[in-house]
Amino acid sequence: DAGVTQSPTHLIKTRGQQVTLRCSPKSGHDTVSWYQQALGQGPQFIFQYYEEEERQRGNFPDRFSGHQFPNYSSELNVNALLLGDSALYLCASSRGPDYEQYFGPGTRLTVT
Amino acid sequence: QQPVQSPQAVILREGEDAVINCSSSKALYSVHWYRQKHGEAPVFLMILLKGGEQKGHDKISASFNEKKQQSSLYLTASQLSYSGTYFCATRDFGNEKLTFGTGTRLTIIP
Repeated sequence: DAGVTQSPTHLIKTRGQQVTLRCSPKSGHDTVSWYQQALGQGPQFIFQYYEEEERQRGNFPDRFSGHQFPNYSSELNVNALLLGDSALYLCASSRGPDYEQYFGPGTRLTVT
Repeated sequence: QQPVQSPQAVILREGEDAVINCSSSKALYSVHWYRQKHGEAPVFLMILLKGGEQKGHDKISASFNEKKQQSSLYLTASQLSYSGTYFCATRDFGNEKLTFGTGTRLTIIP
């Protein structure tokens, strides 16, 4: 049974560029949540997708956007990258918005 | 408001017990516990729902005090593999997002 997968593993971008991160949920899961984790900090909630809609959003600017596809996979897009966007981006899936979340390995984004 | 965990860090010898506390200022619907090793993703340990207590693993258990909005994680007879940073994550009523706590770094030495 495949767990949550994310791609790419690592990414280096230049300030001002745009990036797209991808996530495939665990089999049987229909809900995807995205988190940003800075070095030495806990994960910070970005947003959650369920039934292809954004259900809830954390305190992140509109530069952060997402999408969920009919097969429940999801994308996180970040526009106009800032140096402060450098972090580990984690995707977590669950079998519904009310259930425990399982994390993927993350995408390490470095903005130079 | 981020849940506060205590202690911030603890060092134990293999076989010793540990308790990690998590406290929130909000009325909680559920508390989730995760362990994260350096360079890896958080791993789900267990979830505690309002009105119940759930044990996720043999030597790892947890409690949830609804009146005090506090949860504690108990690690019994710790093993080297228990080393890592432990996070509680809380979900408030009417709010589906998880808010992660400040974290507790646990180091187990032989």
